[in-house]
Amino acid sequence: DTAVSQTPKYLVTQMGNDKSIKCEQNLGHDTMYWYKQDSKKFLKIMFSYNNKELIINETVPNRFSPKSPDKAHLNLHINSLELGDSAVYFCASAGSSGNTIYFGEGSWLTVV
Amino acid sequence: AQSVTQLGSHVSVSEGALVLLRCNYSSSVPPYLFWYVQYPNQGLQLLLKYTSAATLVKGINGFEAEFKKSETSFHLTKPSAHMSDAAEYFCAVSDRGGSQGNLIFGKGTKLSVKP
Repeated sequence: DTAVSQTPKYLVTQMGNDKSIKCEQNLGHDTMYWYKQDSKKFLKIMFSYNNKELIINETVPNRFSPKSPDKAHLNLHINSLELGDSAVYFCASAGSSGNTIYFGEGSWLTVV
Repeated sequence: AQSVTQLGSHVSVSEGALVLLRCNYSSSVPPYLFWYVQYPNQGLQLLLKYTSAATLVKGINGFEAEFKKSETSFHLTKPSAHMSDAAEYFCAVSDRGGSQGNLIFGKGTKLSVKP
């Protein structure tokens, strides 16, 4: 079983569209994250949720909205997609007793 | 504020040679340090982590790293490179201890292994 799974893995869409990326973790972790990896492979935190509560919200356009229906899920919805949103988006999770963040396989988003 | 600097965006070694990937950190709190590996078109896999226990940390696939506080370094090594080690390697520091923090990543080092 995949510990942190995200769908879809590849997504090609047109500018202006709205899209969602779903993430689920089966590790029983309390904290979930979204990271963005740009074209230069640079990784940066976008959001962090702990027990469905928003903890970290970095400087991200309002077009990006995370939603956590329960502790095991953290979805990312993006409105009005722009060319610059093309990137790899990683979901991740961490437990309250540990200090390791586990990453999903990534979602490759291409906006054309 | 925490930060990570990886020296060398690209390192090339011959198969069987020593692998040394450099990472220096800056942290206002006792650091938790990590090395992750990313194979092409795949996610991030944890190689090893330092969380204030032993300064020499052993990880998966024969990799290890040594925490040196005096040098603020956490370099990754492997005695003998294998072709399958070719990947992107990321050093990261937690912005605070424990799971509530998030990772601050370096810019990555691409490791190439020549036959």
